[in-house]
Amino acid sequence: LAKTTQPISMDSYEGQEVNITCSHNNIATNDYITWYQQFPSQGPRFIIQGYKTKVTNEVASLFIPADRKSSTLSLPRVSLSDTAVYYCLVGEERGSTLGRLYFGRGTQLTVWP
Amino acid sequence: DVKVTQSSRYLVKRTGEKVFLECVQDMDHENMFWYRQDPGLGLRLIYFSYDVKMKEKGDIPEGYSVSREKKERFSLILESASTNQTSMYLCASSYHGQVGEQYFGPGTRLTVT
Repeated sequence: LAKTTQPISMDSYEGQEVNITCSHNNIATNDYITWYQQFPSQGPRFIIQGYKTKVTNEVASLFIPADRKSSTLSLPRVSLSDTAVYYCLVGEERGSTLGRLYFGRGTQLTVWP
Repeated sequence: DVKVTQSSRYLVKRTGEKVFLECVQDMDHENMFWYRQDPGLGLRLIYFSYDVKMKEKGDIPEGYSVSREKKERFSLILESASTNQTSMYLCASSYHGQVGEQYFGPGTRLTVT
């Protein structure tokens, strides 16, 4: 099984860069890596997705090393509103069937003033 | 904006009752998912559907069934609710081939007494 492992919690201060790492040692060739953000009383929200190397959007960056056995979500200059639970997802879809889909257990990020 | 709606935000049922949780998406997505979310366990997939009347078991299908009669609607059924099914239930949808980029509803907090 391709388990995904992430830290249970992290703390940061406003304005700092935060890096959250997810370990996925058994990632398969066709698996993509996706990160989600979840606020209390809401469903998770897609942040970023990648396959290898580096992906950047207006919200975050995703770093994936060559062996793809881990990935790091980077949040630049966090604010109080970035306090949330962050999930990594490893999975792929094979035609009309699901294939593999593994969510991590989530990392509670708390940003302090 | 993609919208995924769930029939109830909060639900209280008695042990042994039949429970229906409904989910509707408005983006013409082929894939729909049902998860349960419990503290410390993250998101666990109950069932996945890739088309009308098509379904695939996830990691924890025991005690649940699903129905997808229309593309936009995916129902989760608890045939005989038990206290260990008290949980947050999340519905999601995505396009074929984009299982990593899911759009989630707000969730239903189900309490079975």
